[in-house]
Amino acid sequence: KAGVTQTPRYLIKTRGQQVTLSCSPISGHRSVSWYQQTPGQGLQFLFEYFSETQRNKGNFPGRFSGRQFSNSRSEMNVSTLELGDSALYLCASSLRPQGSFIYGYTFGSGTRLTVV
Amino acid sequence: QKEVEQNSGPLSVPEGAIASLNCTYSDRVSQSFFWYRQYSGKSPELIMSIYSNGDKEDGRFTAQLNKASQYVSLLIRDSQPSDSATYLCAVNMIVETSGSRLTFGEGTQLTVNP
Repeated sequence: KAGVTQTPRYLIKTRGQQVTLSCSPISGHRSVSWYQQTPGQGLQFLFEYFSETQRNKGNFPGRFSGRQFSNSRSEMNVSTLELGDSALYLCASSLRPQGSFIYGYTFGSGTRLTVV
Repeated sequence: QKEVEQNSGPLSVPEGAIASLNCTYSDRVSQSFFWYRQYSGKSPELIMSIYSNGDKEDGRFTAQLNKASQYVSLLIRDSQPSDSATYLCAVNMIVETSGSRLTFGEGTQLTVNP
């Protein structure tokens, strides 16, 4: 059974550019969440999608956005990149949203974004 | 106050010892709790989940939950060098308007010395 797949694995972008990251969840998983991980802040919640609807959003500026497609694949977009956006972006999938409380997340390998 | 706090590391134990990792959380109505292990350069991997007060054992790992004290812990018995990693405590916290979300502590780095 394939795990959570994130592409690309590594990205280098210039300040002011925008970037799109992709995530394919485990087959049958309908909930996808995104996290940003940095050495100073740890794992910070970005947003959660279920059935193409955003259910939760973390405390990030509007430059961070996402969407989910009918096949549960998800993308996140960061516009007008800043140096501080350099981080590991992790996607995680679950059978259901966390509101059902008993399911943990399975994480993908992440996309390492470097903004120069 | 942070929503999820873990004991500050790094933690170093000799091989074969018991490693004890602690976590406290602020949201009294949180319902589910998870421990993730993250090796350097890798993504987090779920190793334990616990929902009820008491102990839950899985091999060398034991998770303990005390909701009254808002405290979760992870014990690793017979620690091995391969257990050297960062351990993340995660709490399913209620979000007033939109359900819940998984909130992570900053992690405790564990080193098991041969």
